[in-house]
Amino acid sequence: AQKITQTQPGMFVQEKEAVTLDCTYDTSDPSYGLFWYKQPSSGEMIFLIYQGSYDQQNATEGRYSLNFQKARKSANLVISASQLGDSAMYFCAMRVMTTDSWGKLQFGAGTQVVVTP
Amino acid sequence: GAVVSQHPSRVICKSGTSVKIECRSLDFQATTMFWYRQFPKQSLMLMATSNEGSKATYEQGVEKDKFLINHASLTLSTLTVTSAHPEDSSFYICSARERAAFNYGYTFGSGTRLTVV
Repeated sequence: AQKITQTQPGMFVQEKEAVTLDCTYDTSDPSYGLFWYKQPSSGEMIFLIYQGSYDQQNATEGRYSLNFQKARKSANLVISASQLGDSAMYFCAMRVMTTDSWGKLQFGAGTQVVVTP
Repeated sequence: GAVVSQHPSRVICKSGTSVKIECRSLDFQATTMFWYRQFPKQSLMLMATSNEGSKATYEQGVEKDKFLINHASLTLSTLTVTSAHPEDSSFYICSARERAAFNYGYTFGSGTRLTVV
């Protein structure tokens, strides 16, 4: 069965520092995708970064990078130079393939990040 | 970029009444729509998946007679919470997928906060 795990319920980070959010996954499918989303208190889901299972390089998007270690089945998100606006809940998600659609997202429990001045 | 408009953003209803939530894809064809439910401080739980023109596929434990999903067109999907009770109070959020965007393409609505009194 597919499973996605975030073990850090909450983290404090100081402004301008980097923070790493952990995510591990389990799947027997050779083809899968991993996503990170940010959810501020307003509730909207903001897409941050995507990593495909066959991608050779780690994904990067601005201040966000994904540390993809396929053998360890981990896909940690690194946020560099944290800003106060980065305070939010962060979710790791895995695309789980289904027979009747192009795949659905399964989410981890989330990590609440609070950036302090 | 792709935008999904979700309405209403907040709704308060009396116990026993029904509430309809709409999600519209504004600039793309949403071949698949996902409906999630989220309790405070928790993760997103997938309720159902619907493909345009066909019946929704519900996740285990989700009452299909209580949460009616309609996906009659490529740009509109609705979730109706029938005979709502206080325990149905939650944050509901939709996500639309465009067929052409295989690797990415999960666009979320802004969510609906339902309170049943």
